[in-house]
Amino acid sequence: GAVVSQHPSWVICKSGTSVKIECRSLDFQATTMFWYRQFPKQSLMLMATSNEGSKATYEQGVEKDKFLINHASLTLSTLTVTSAHPEDSSFYICSAPRASKGTQYFGPGTRLLVL
Amino acid sequence: AQKVTQAQTEISVVEKEDVTLDCVYETRDTTYYLFWYKQPPSGELVFLIRRNSFDEQNEISGRYSWNFQKSTSSFNFTITASQVVDSAVYFCALSESTRGAGNMLTFGGGTRLMVKP
Repeated sequence: GAVVSQHPSWVICKSGTSVKIECRSLDFQATTMFWYRQFPKQSLMLMATSNEGSKATYEQGVEKDKFLINHASLTLSTLTVTSAHPEDSSFYICSAPRASKGTQYFGPGTRLLVL
Repeated sequence: AQKVTQAQTEISVVEKEDVTLDCVYETRDTTYYLFWYKQPPSGELVFLIRRNSFDEQNEISGRYSWNFQKSTSSFNFTITASQVVDSAVYFCALSESTRGAGNMLTFGGGTRLMVKP
């Protein structure tokens, strides 16, 4: 079964609103989680690294004030797209490393459509 | 900086043909991990294989096989006797060794495979 979940799987919103996406590790703790973005017919690009108990680390070109990341617990990271615009429409995927397994697990992704 | 290149953006084959997806990578690390993922239309990434840089042994899993060659920095993926269900986008990815295989991934551009009946 899935070990990383994302909610919601689909969201449609109006331009200017904020959208929160949750990423949960289901049966293990993750001090770090990664957020990726995938535009249609493109590859996955790392947006930021979410760190439990400290600030997220953003990749170059990703606006930290627009994409707010909160890693409030060892099993939950949230990505909030603030004042969303149509160009933010994308597929957002999180992943969580699992040290004991020496690998990382991806969530099923969240499709965001901003009208 | 690390980089993954998948030169083939789209491949179309007829069912039962063999197909090889190419992956070339760049990294300055001596220890790293290579991955292949399948992404069907649903979008969810399906893990196929992980290989660490010290293990150059080729691997076969059913109709899938992987050829890892450090000398050419390549990690190619072959599907034998392709099936329509193999149609998807396939990503090759690289992870440096900071936290074992649990570090962030750098993805290649992906190869869209279309298998026609």
